[in-house]
Amino acid sequence: QLQLQESGPGLVKPSETLSLTCTVSGGSISSNSYYWGWIRQPPGKGLEWIGSTDYSGSSYYYPSLKSRATISIDTSKNQFSLRLNSVTATDTAVYYCARSPSRQELKNWGQGTLVTVSS
Amino acid sequence: QSALTQEASVSGTVGQKVTLSCTGNSNNIGTYVVGWYQQISHGAPKIVMFGNSLPSGIPDRFSGSKSGTTASLTISGLQPEDEAEYFCSTWDSSLRAVVFGGGTKLTVL
Repeated sequence: QLQLQESGPGLVKPSETLSLTCTVSGGSISSNSYYWGWIRQPPGKGLEWIGSTDYSGSSYYYPSLKSRATISIDTSKNQFSLRLNSVTATDTAVYYCARSPSRQELKNWGQGTLVTVSS
Repeated sequence: QSALTQEASVSGTVGQKVTLSCTGNSNNIGTYVVGWYQQISHGAPKIVMFGNSLPSGIPDRFSGSKSGTTASLTISGLQPEDEAEYFCSTWDSSLRAVVFGGGTKLTVL
């Protein structure tokens, strides 16, 4: 059974880089049949797609985050990661990782991890 | 401001049929398959419909449809456990990104 688990610091200082990892179990991240992506949800607000990448390296990012976000895959650890540069308080959110059989079908989700941006 | 527009709230009684809507444009809903996600009590979202396909484990009282640039999720025979927030989502070819609706809070009276 596929499982995704987010991990990373729960507190990041303003202007620093947010780094999260999603560990995949019960399936191989090397499969070329899926996209691996990140979605976030600020407190009390809706869902916001950050971006996704596939095994070949094709990446897509939401336009407003494209300059600050990078999603990468580590096949040796069966993990994928998110880096978000120059964070501000508006980046405070629960961050979810997800696996998608197509660009828009967010079929499998992690449980989410809260990241707070504060000094 | 979300790219897709959903009702802020919908309510219904147990056993009733309710329909949630999601409106976009020709760059998104008009062209691509729409997914619906259920989020109970701020937990992780779960897909409950993709187009008109029911994911494994989702009760068949859920159904999906689309007409032009509006997609709908219908729940026939509403149950207490259906109370949740529902988000619609699809690909947007103009943004080259996945877009979400603002979410509909479904209350079961």
